[in-house]
Amino acid sequence: NAGVTQTPKFQVLKTGQSMTLQCAQDMNHNSMYWYRQDPGMGLRLIYYSASEGTTDKGEVPNGYNVSRLNKREFSLRLESAAPSQTSVYFCASSERGGGGGRETQYFGPGTRLLVL
Amino acid sequence: GNSVTQMEGPVTLSEEAFLTINCTYTATGYPSLFWYVQYPGEGLQLLLKATKADDKGSNKGFEATYRKETTSFHLEKGSVQVSDSAVYFCAYNFNKFYFGSGTKLNVKP
Repeated sequence: NAGVTQTPKFQVLKTGQSMTLQCAQDMNHNSMYWYRQDPGMGLRLIYYSASEGTTDKGEVPNGYNVSRLNKREFSLRLESAAPSQTSVYFCASSERGGGGGRETQYFGPGTRLLVL
Repeated sequence: GNSVTQMEGPVTLSEEAFLTINCTYTATGYPSLFWYVQYPGEGLQLLLKATKADDKGSNKGFEATYRKETTSFHLEKGSVQVSDSAVYFCAYNFNKFYFGSGTKLNVKP
C-alpha cells in the first residue's frame, strides 16, 4: 500500500516550457487535491477533484490545468511555465470531499519544481 | 472568513524541553481539527486529529485538545527530541481544508 505517489520528484524547466505532474493514490479515495507550498505561505490549494469526473478551482488556479484521469490518478499541467510557479507541489487525497466532509487528507512526497 | 492562525517560528528548544505550538481557528460550525508534521524533504504526515469539542488527539507523545470555547487546538509535548525537528501545520476541515502557515521547530541536543 503505497498511499499517494507523485512523479517526478524534482524538475527544472525553462520559462515557457510545459510539463505534467502526475499523482496516484491506491486508497480508493474519492477526492484528490493539488497544493503548492511556498516559503512563509503554507499550503495553497490549486485545484481539487471531489469525485471522479469532476474538478474545481481552488485558491490559486491561474496558469494550471488538471485532469482526473480515473479514480486513482489526478494530474496537474503547466502549459507555459513561469518563474512564479517555482514551488513545491503536493498532491493529496481523502475518502470524500465537500458536503460536510471532515475526513483526513493524505499527502504525497511532493514535486520540487524550479522554473528558470 | 475561515482561517487558521498558528504561532510563527522558528521555535528553538533544547532536547527534553516542553513544547507548545499555539493554533487558533475561525470557522462556523464544528470542524475537525488536525496537526500535520513535515520532515525535511518530505510531504505532510498526519500527526493527530480531533473531531469534536473536548476531544484530545495524541500520537508519538504529542497531544492537542479541541477547545471550542477558545477555538484553539494547541500542540504540546512534554519532552522533545532532536528527531522532532520539523515543520508543524495546524489545519481544520469543514467542507474544505484550511491550513495554517506552519511552525518550524528546531530541537538542539
